[in-house]
Amino acid sequence: GENVEQHPSTLSVQEGDSAVIKCTYSDSASNYFPWYKQELGKRPQLIIDIRSNVGEKKDQRIAVTLNKTAKHFSLHITETQPEDSAVYFCAALPRGADKLIFGTGTRLQVFP
Amino acid sequence: SQTIHQWPATLVQPVGSPLSLECTVEGTSNPNLYWYRQAAGRGLQLLFYSVGIGQISSEVPQNLSASRPQDRQFILSSKKLLLSDSGFYLCAWSPLRDSDEQFFGPGTRLTVL
Repeated sequence: GENVEQHPSTLSVQEGDSAVIKCTYSDSASNYFPWYKQELGKRPQLIIDIRSNVGEKKDQRIAVTLNKTAKHFSLHITETQPEDSAVYFCAALPRGADKLIFGTGTRLQVFP
Repeated sequence: SQTIHQWPATLVQPVGSPLSLECTVEGTSNPNLYWYRQAAGRGLQLLFYSVGIGQISSEVPQNLSASRPQDRQFILSSKKLLLSDSGFYLCAWSPLRDSDEQFFGPGTRLTVL
């Protein structure tokens, strides 16, 4: 079955710098890749997603890139702000499956 | 628009007591429904999911069970809670047939003492 690995587990950046979180997946048939942001004590919120027919998607300061050949996708946050501090989860949905396979999460800390 | 509700928001229960957590979705029909558990500082563990009324798939064998008595209602239960059942329980829904997106409910924080 599908397996998703997420790195790094923790990431500290200075305010204004960029942050990159990378996930690799094992099932080449996976076709949907969402990213969630979870603030302390809150529910995970869908922040951006990408489908396998697209290589890159951008929404203001966040972007996701997908490399189907290498089977990895990445979240890019530019001009980080303290409110970007949270745990970020990637996930993959195998084609025809009913459940997402989540990565283990990355704790991002943005220092002012 | 669609909304998802969970209750209670917080719960403190003694070891060995029963549990019932409820999740309901509004504004959609025939959603896929999911129960996740998140231990403190940890990732998302899928416990159960359902693609229709009465259809339950179990991901992790344990002392929990799930039921879907109505299209938009998903219930997580236990007959006897263990200390290890403490955690943040999240219900989620997805239309899947129309969209792959999955949305989480506000969660129930369970402490077993």
